Amino acid sequence: NAGVTQTPKFQVLKTGQSMTLQCAQDMNHEYMSWYRQDPGMGLRLIHYSVGAGITDQGEVPNGYNVSRSTTEDFPLRLLSAAPSQTSVYFCASSYAAPLGLPSSYEQYFGPGTRLTVT
Amino acid sequence: GNSVTQMEGPVTLSEEAFLTINCTYTATGYPSLFWYVQYPGEGLQLLLKATKADDKGSNKGFEATYRKETTSFHLEKGSVQVSDSAVYFCARSNFGNEKLTFGTGTRLTIIP
Repeated sequence: NAGVTQTPKFQVLKTGQSMTLQCAQDMNHEYMSWYRQDPGMGLRLIHYSVGAGITDQGEVPNGYNVSRSTTEDFPLRLLSAAPSQTSVYFCASSYAAPLGLPSSYEQYFGPGTRLTVT
Repeated sequence: GNSVTQMEGPVTLSEEAFLTINCTYTATGYPSLFWYVQYPGEGLQLLLKATKADDKGSNKGFEATYRKETTSFHLEKGSVQVSDSAVYFCARSNFGNEKLTFGTGTRLTIIP
């Protein structure tokens, strides 16, 4: 049971380049999400998904795209990298909350991808 | 909206000292409350949680009580160890979905 895996661990991009951050989980979780972590700002939600074929925007979605073709995978695409996207990116997954109730389920986090855009 | 306000760090303590990290949340809906910990170079992992008022979450000697009257969920430990050095995040769930709102994190350093 690998949990949540992310690749790559480190990446350096030039402004304007595109890339995909990979995330996979083997726990059959319905809910998956992407966060970015910046100093003094905690974790901010970029995009999330409640199941295959369903995605939605979080707090800071601009400049990022996602898709969810399978339960296991949730890649994050940077379309045209900018220095403001320099950050540490975390993928997380959990079971879905019961309908209409706040979730009490643990979110499992991957080890993160440190991205630098020059 | 939903928000979490967390004690700013960094916090530096000597080994065996008493630890408190303050956390307050907006009282929208009936959230579940969490403390996550991030060790150096790793992702976040759940430390403890509480799902309703007056619940106490506990793990690895850490405790936090869900206080509805003060909208607080302060993290405490009676005697910290060097291995507790990490960044601690308070978080709340949002009504009707799985999204979490995180505080800004508190970096804790324990010196021998």
